[in-house]
Amino acid sequence: NAGVTQTPKFQVLKTGQSMTLQCAQDMNHNSMYWYRQDPGMGLRLIYYSASEGTTDKGEVPNGYNVSRLNKREFSLRLESAAPSQTSVYFCASSGEAWGPQHFGDGTRLSIL
Amino acid sequence: EDKVVQSPLSLVVHEGDTVTLNCSYEVTNFRSLLWYKQEKKAPTFLFMLTSSGIEKKSGRLSSILDKKELFSILNITATQTGDSAVYLCAVVGGGSNYKLTFGKGTLLTVNP
Repeated sequence: NAGVTQTPKFQVLKTGQSMTLQCAQDMNHNSMYWYRQDPGMGLRLIYYSASEGTTDKGEVPNGYNVSRLNKREFSLRLESAAPSQTSVYFCASSGEAWGPQHFGDGTRLSIL
Repeated sequence: EDKVVQSPLSLVVHEGDTVTLNCSYEVTNFRSLLWYKQEKKAPTFLFMLTSSGIEKKSGRLSSILDKKELFSILNITATQTGDSAVYLCAVVGGGSNYKLTFGKGTLLTVNP
């Protein structure tokens, strides 16, 4: 009964390093999303994929890229990590675009 | 710019109390409003509201939307310590491109 699985759960990077956060869902959902959550800022949408084969920018896309590898998997890549990208990252999925979302447990990312 | 404002930011009550959490919004082309509960990790979906004046209910939790006055409330009756969490409100709007905006959340603490 996995739902949405994110890997890794924790990661520490140095400034300038690259990193890919992985997300997979087993609910046959069409839509997938990446968020970051920072203290005092709430959840902010980075990128989303309304359906397999499409991706679009959210509120804070700068410094990130995404790949919708197949219907199950949606990865988030930081090409050159910056301290401002220290955050908790959540992946989510929904059956229909912008419907109720199921979230993964998050990845806590620290960039030194 | 789309806005979602939740109030209060935090609230401390005793078990058995009834609480009302507020979410007001200003978005272009409103489509839906969603409530989530976030304990230690992933947010979990509570309600989705699209029509004004229709109450959604699940056990001790209920929510209603007022599209004329642009707000929603989440009520929790007979609170329990397990209700302690951050409650998040999210609004979906936008024209041809959907847009999702989360509020910053209300931290509810229920003391025994």
